[in-house]
Amino acid sequence: GENVEQHPSTLSVQEGDSAVIKCTYSDSASNYFPWYKQELGKGPQLIIDIRSNVGEKKDQRIAVTLNKTAKHFSLHITETQPEDSAVYFCAARAFGNEKLTFGTGTRLTIIP
Amino acid sequence: GAVVSQHPSRVICKSGTSVKIECRSLDFQATTMFWYRQFPKKSLMLMATSNEGSKATYEQGVEKDKFLINHASLTLSTLTVTSAHPEDSSFYICSAQENGYTFGSGTRLTVV
Repeated sequence: GENVEQHPSTLSVQEGDSAVIKCTYSDSASNYFPWYKQELGKGPQLIIDIRSNVGEKKDQRIAVTLNKTAKHFSLHITETQPEDSAVYFCAARAFGNEKLTFGTGTRLTIIP
Repeated sequence: GAVVSQHPSRVICKSGTSVKIECRSLDFQATTMFWYRQFPKKSLMLMATSNEGSKATYEQGVEKDKFLINHASLTLSTLTVTSAHPEDSSFYICSAQENGYTFGSGTRLTVV
C-alpha cells in the first residue's frame, strides 16, 4: 500500500519568513495530493491540493509543488504569520482508491 | 464549500457503556464517508470506510463489533463505540468526499 513520509516533524520560523514542508510517497499510481492544517482540538482543514497532471499550484501565500519522477511534493508558505502556527499534514491518494494516506504531520510554530 | 458536521464535539462516558458519534454532510450527498482515529500528537489513522446502504469496510486491526458504523442515508453516517473502555479514549474524526475530502470538527471521547 501507499506510504507517505513527511519532514520535518517540527519547524520554527520567524514571522515573515517562509516555511517549507516536504513529503514523499511510495505509490507511483498516486494522483491526488492534499495538504491539511489542523489546529488544536479541531478537524483538519484543506488548505491546498494538487493533482498529478500539474507541477505547481499557488493560492496567495500558499503553494504546492509536485515532482512525480522523484515522488515528492512540498508545501510552501510565504510571509508567515502567527495564525499559520498549527500542525500540517500531507496526504496522497492512488488512482482508483478512495482512501487517503496521511503523512506523520509537521508542527509549525511562527515566532513573532 | 462542502461542510461536514460532527456531533458531539466532546463526550465523557462510563466504562461499559456505548456512545454514538454522528457525521453529517450538510450541503452535499456523500455515498462514502470515512472514520479516523487520532492519538495525541499523531497522524490520522483510518478506521473504516462507510458506504451508504451497505456494510462498512474496516481497516486491518479495527474491531468491527466494537466500532459499529451505520451509513443509512446519503447525508449521515454514525460511529458507535460499544462497551467502551478507557483505551478507546481518543479523538475521532469523520470525513466525506466531494471533489476533495472535507473533515468534521472531531469528537473527543473520554471513557472513565
